Amino acid sequence: DVKVTQSSRYLVKRTGEKVFLECVQDMDHENMFWYRQDPGLGLRLIYFSYDVKMKEKGDIPEGYSVSREKKERFSLILESASTNQTSMYLCASTQGAPNEKLFFGSGTQLSVL
Amino acid sequence: DQQVKQNSPSLSVQEGRISILNCDYTNSMFDYFLWYKKYPAEGPTFLISISSIKDKNEDGRFTVFLNKSAKHLSLHIVPSQPGDSAVYFCAASAYTNAGKSTFGDGTTLTVKP
Repeated sequence: DVKVTQSSRYLVKRTGEKVFLECVQDMDHENMFWYRQDPGLGLRLIYFSYDVKMKEKGDIPEGYSVSREKKERFSLILESASTNQTSMYLCASTQGAPNEKLFFGSGTQLSVL
Repeated sequence: DQQVKQNSPSLSVQEGRISILNCDYTNSMFDYFLWYKKYPAEGPTFLISISSIKDKNEDGRFTVFLNKSAKHLSLHIVPSQPGDSAVYFCAASAYTNAGKSTFGDGTTLTVKP
């Protein structure tokens, strides 16, 4: 089975801190995605990547950046955390064919105080 | 503009009865639709999908129906079981968008014993 691993289940950070969320997948998937989940808003796409060192903005990229130095690893960076970035962050991956199902990690619940 | 909508935030049904979860979309470019199930503290997992060339897809107790003219799809669970209690997300993607999925807000299903 595909495994998508997010390094932290829970994180508590202070406003203004730089935050790194790490995601690793073990199935050689081409595509990786970062979503955030908020009550009443569903899952919203922050950034995605179709290849190493490649990134594209999703629907809500403001305040975030990403890094994909290796195929299996996709990092989400909050340059200066703010309280409105308190959320559940979900990483996902797919092989690369269009319309494939997403494989998700367990999520990181980030609280910014 | 929300392109995928799940208008019912919650649904409660009795064990053994049918659960019907609904989803509407606005973007006519969507050609593939997926349902994901999410338990608390876990990432979403793929449940069932349907291509726009079909109007029905069945997998065990789960059936998805697609009405393209109405831009509407529904997920039927028969019979419902307490273990089906979860949040269900509808998602849509377009072949031309290389699998980038747009999600609805989710519907929380509670199946009562």
